[in-house]
Amino acid sequence: EVQLVQSGAEVKKPGESLTISCKASGYTFSDYWIGWVRQMPGKGLEWMGIIYPGDSETRYRPSFQGQVTISADKSISTTFLQWSSLKASDAAIYYCARVESKIDFWGRGTLVTVSS
Amino acid sequence: EIVMTQSPATLSVSPGERATLSCRASQSVRNNLAWYQQKPGQAPRLLIYDISTRATGVPARFSGSGSVTEFTLTISSLQPEDFAVYYCLQFNDWPQFTFGPGTKVDVK
Repeated sequence: EVQLVQSGAEVKKPGESLTISCKASGYTFSDYWIGWVRQMPGKGLEWMGIIYPGDSETRYRPSFQGQVTISADKSISTTFLQWSSLKASDAAIYYCARVESKIDFWGRGTLVTVSS
Repeated sequence: EIVMTQSPATLSVSPGERATLSCRASQSVRNNLAWYQQKPGQAPRLLIYDISTRATGVPARFSGSGSVTEFTLTISSLQPEDFAVYYCLQFNDWPQFTFGPGTKVDVK
């Protein structure tokens, strides 16, 4: 069974750094792209970017380029989404999702709260 | 970037009725179009991909149709568990996917 298990909710202050994670199981991790999707409070889904764990090739949606870093560690079947300096506007639920041409499996999401 | 639009923003339907949701792309996405259902507090769930192929376990009352830039998700007879937000996604402009803004299906 394909599973994407995301790390728990985070509460951070503006300016702090943060890394959230997404651990995959039930399939060959290196063979599928993993994407990240943002959902701001009460809003829709926004595609952020994607990584191929096999070689760590990464692509970002232009509006997220330079704002976040996506990475992966094949040895632990885990993908990461990282901020170096959070803004209040980064408050959202972040989903990881497996991509097999389309998005077929989703993690349950990580809630990120940013408040001073 | 391919822009996706959905209409209506909210659709009020009685249980047992038919629901028709629309999705439009700003340019051709060929058959690279999927639909997702999201319930409050839950992650999205894949319903339909490649315009009309139901994902595993999706009831037959869900169907997709359309082509090029105009797509439709039809729920033939709404069940109580179908009240949710529905998003379309284009994955033709790989890997710059884009979602539509969503259609909320609520109880009339």
